Amino acid sequence: DQQVKQNSPSLSVQEGRISILNCDYTNSMFDYFLWYKKYPAEGPTFLISISSIKDKNEDGRFTVFLNKSAKHLSLHIVPSQPGDSAVYFCAGSFGNEKLTFGTGTRLTIIP
Amino acid sequence: ETGVTQTPRHLVMGMTNKKSLKCEQHLGHNAMYWYKQSAKKPLELMFVYNFKEQTENNSVPSRFSPECPNSSHLFLHLHTLQPEDSALYLCASSQGGLYDTQYFGPGTRLTVL
Repeated sequence: DQQVKQNSPSLSVQEGRISILNCDYTNSMFDYFLWYKKYPAEGPTFLISISSIKDKNEDGRFTVFLNKSAKHLSLHIVPSQPGDSAVYFCAGSFGNEKLTFGTGTRLTIIP
Repeated sequence: ETGVTQTPRHLVMGMTNKKSLKCEQHLGHNAMYWYKQSAKKPLELMFVYNFKEQTENNSVPSRFSPECPNSSHLFLHLHTLQPEDSALYLCASSQGGLYDTQYFGPGTRLTVL
């Protein structure tokens, strides 16, 4: 049973527009969520995180929103840039080191 | 060298071979992890080491054998693997506390013939 789901395997967005990546989770014990970004031939790199006591966390062009009642989080990238083209993974955990990852969404930014 | 490094980057092995994957972190972290990424599946946690002690074994078959001689080095010894074990194997490290960020290596692309 997949506890973290990213239902869109791919997404294409025009440069300069907003990219919205979605993630759903089923484990209500999760209290910490992270987004990782992965370029080809590289390991995932940490992007942004959010604790379950918050519903929004912002870092530059990246904002993560958490809707606990819907068990849904989203990553907004504004404005989207060509260098944002990558695979994005969301992950959840309940305070320990065990991250549970989604399958990833491939984002392509169109110049 | 900085961050988390993994060698080799690519490995092709037969089912009867024995090989080892190596991971080294230069971040002063206390926890290290092995993950497996198969095509179209989520990253799967395999093993966790905290201060050289194994704290998690996520029901991994015994043909995968981890070793953590110190906080900076992590190995994954492979023997009698199956073709379905072909995947990207990622190493990560973190400080080891709650809610800390994991830093990943570039991975080893393993193909089992």
